[in-house]
Amino acid sequence: GAGVSQSPSNKVTEKGKDVELRCDPISGHTALYWYRQSLGQGLEFLIYFQGNSAPDKSGLPSDRFSAERTGGSVSTLTIQRTQQEDSAVYLCASSLVGSAGEQFFGPGTRLTVL
Amino acid sequence: SQQGEEDPQALSIQEGENATMNCSYKTSINNLQWYRQNSGRGLVHLILIRSNEREKHSGRLRVTLDTSKKSSSLLITASRAADTASYFCATAQAQGAQKLVFGQGTRLTINP
Repeated sequence: GAGVSQSPSNKVTEKGKDVELRCDPISGHTALYWYRQSLGQGLEFLIYFQGNSAPDKSGLPSDRFSAERTGGSVSTLTIQRTQQEDSAVYLCASSLVGSAGEQFFGPGTRLTVL
Repeated sequence: SQQGEEDPQALSIQEGENATMNCSYKTSINNLQWYRQNSGRGLVHLILIRSNEREKHSGRLRVTLDTSKKSSSLLITASRAADTASYFCATAQAQGAQKLVFGQGTRLTINP
């Protein structure tokens, strides 16, 4: 079956522009996570969705970042008024339940803010 | 901020040798997981060890967990060139949050 997919794979934008990153989780996975990975660093948690529960937004670095998950499936991470420090690889993961078990990762979106 | 710290940051060995990577963490955990990442993109889950387990094996992988020292190790035996990648430990905390907290990773290079 299909794994987690993300689009676009690469995005180059100018400082101050808004960007939208998309994640399609594995069908049937109720939990969805967004992480950010800066060059040569580990992954930084951003946000977590589990079913119809309120998302855990505790990792979002500023109010320029937001995410939604429509119909319990596809998720969009939006970054408004992008800054150069937003440049990173944004990774999405999904899992069967939010039980802190194995997570399945997408290939990521590499965002470059000029 | 990252909870985990991995040691070493980079490791280069000859094909056929064993590779050992270590991970330390700070808070009580539900489980600890190891992931592999090729070329800075998607991560692949390798193995999960629960807080009440001390050792786990999967193929050429051996993971240990010492909750008293808040540390874990990943051993890859009989390394192959294809094992070249970055390896990350990730902890699932004991209470509340479902997110994984990742270490900084170890960059492993296997020389043919």
